[in-house]
Amino acid sequence: GNSVTQMEGPVTLSEEAFLTINCTYTATGYPSLFWYVQYPGEGLQLLLKATKADDKGSNKGFEATYRKETTSFHLEKGSVQVSDSAVYFCALSDPPTSGGSYIPTFGRGTSLIVHP
Amino acid sequence: NAGVTQTPKFQVLKTGQSMTLQCAQDMNHNSMYWYRQDPGMGLRLIYYSASEGTTDKGEVPNGYNVSRLNKREFSLRLESAAPSQTSVYFCASSGGSPNSPLHFGNGTRLTVT
Repeated sequence: GNSVTQMEGPVTLSEEAFLTINCTYTATGYPSLFWYVQYPGEGLQLLLKATKADDKGSNKGFEATYRKETTSFHLEKGSVQVSDSAVYFCALSDPPTSGGSYIPTFGRGTSLIVHP
Repeated sequence: NAGVTQTPKFQVLKTGQSMTLQCAQDMNHNSMYWYRQDPGMGLRLIYYSASEGTTDKGEVPNGYNVSRLNKREFSLRLESAAPSQTSVYFCASSGGSPNSPLHFGNGTRLTVT
């Protein structure tokens, strides 16, 4: 079955530091990959996505590249801000098997804390 | 743009009480989902509905029922609440294709005493 593994947190950084949050996946097909962000007290919201190998998703200074050879989709940002403090979820969606339904698979989330 | 709207935002129940969590989306999405989020457990899928008129169990369906009332609305019912159901519940919707991201509501924070 499909699975997503994220590095455990919390990740604690100082403002303007470089961020990497690792994500690797297992899928039977050719999935689309997503990063979601959850701010305190809110639901998850899409941060970026990539739909095929070697695609780079980017948004708000965050980037992630779909690496099929290493089955990875690591999230990076060159200079984090206090306002980036949140929980980040890696996710995949795979076309369903015949007759099946499409169900996304989420990682467990990585908490990021950025200090001034 | 309302997106996905969940009600109520907070709820406290006593063990054995029942309640229904409401969810509505205005994006004409086919697929809708109910998740629960607990510390250290990530998101766990309770039930989903791939299209109007269909519902299926997810990873943790015991103690819950759902109704896909129409294309917009997908409700989650707790018939006899238990302390183990204390959690934050999220409803989400999507266009139903693998490239479509999920759109989440802001959650219902439920405490069962």
